[in-house]
Amino acid sequence: SQKIEQNSEALNIQEGKTATLTCNYTNYSPAYLQWYRQDPGRGPVFLLLIRENEKEKRKERLKVTFDTTLKQSLFHITASQPADSATYLCALDGITGGGNKLTFGTGTQLKVEL
Amino acid sequence: EADIYQTPRYLVIGTGKKITLECSQTMGHDKMYWYQQDPGMELHLIHYSYGVNSTEKGDLSSESTVSRIRTEHFPLTLESARPSHTSQYLCASSETGKNTGELFFGEGSRLTVL
Repeated sequence: SQKIEQNSEALNIQEGKTATLTCNYTNYSPAYLQWYRQDPGRGPVFLLLIRENEKEKRKERLKVTFDTTLKQSLFHITASQPADSATYLCALDGITGGGNKLTFGTGTQLKVEL
Repeated sequence: EADIYQTPRYLVIGTGKKITLECSQTMGHDKMYWYQQDPGMELHLIHYSYGVNSTEKGDLSSESTVSRIRTEHFPLTLESARPSHTSQYLCASSETGKNTGELFFGEGSRLTVL
């Protein structure tokens, strides 16, 4: 069966460092992958989308890579700040059919400390 | 900021009650979704709609039902709530005509059934 794996353990880093979060998937070849941020008790907020034919995407301090051979996406936050502390979710399309029916990973909690 | 609204944000009710969670969006999106999320767990798609009078069940079986009589409105109903229905329910929408678009989420409705 299709599976999305994100590090279940929280990632603690110091302010100013680069945070790197991992999203692995198995038994599937998505056309695109999305990353969302979710704060406690709130709905997820879209951050970035990367397509299968794109290796890398950047937006301000965020960078996403997509390796379809390894079936892995890496999500980087450079010059991290305490305000970046949140849970980050990756989501893939099409596991349950097309049309934006995204399947989400469990998310990785990031804590940026002063 | 996304223009998608959910009410109530928090609801505590007794077993056997009928409840309706409201979701409205003002972006004119045809596609709308309901996801269910338990604490620390991934989002699971329970219902989706591609337009007025179109509703389908998602990949997670749910005893809830939905309706889509108007484009902007996608309410979720539980006829007889049980403690197993305790969860966070997240409504989302995506842009018409885009199969790779981001999801816009509401703030969620946290339901507790005693």
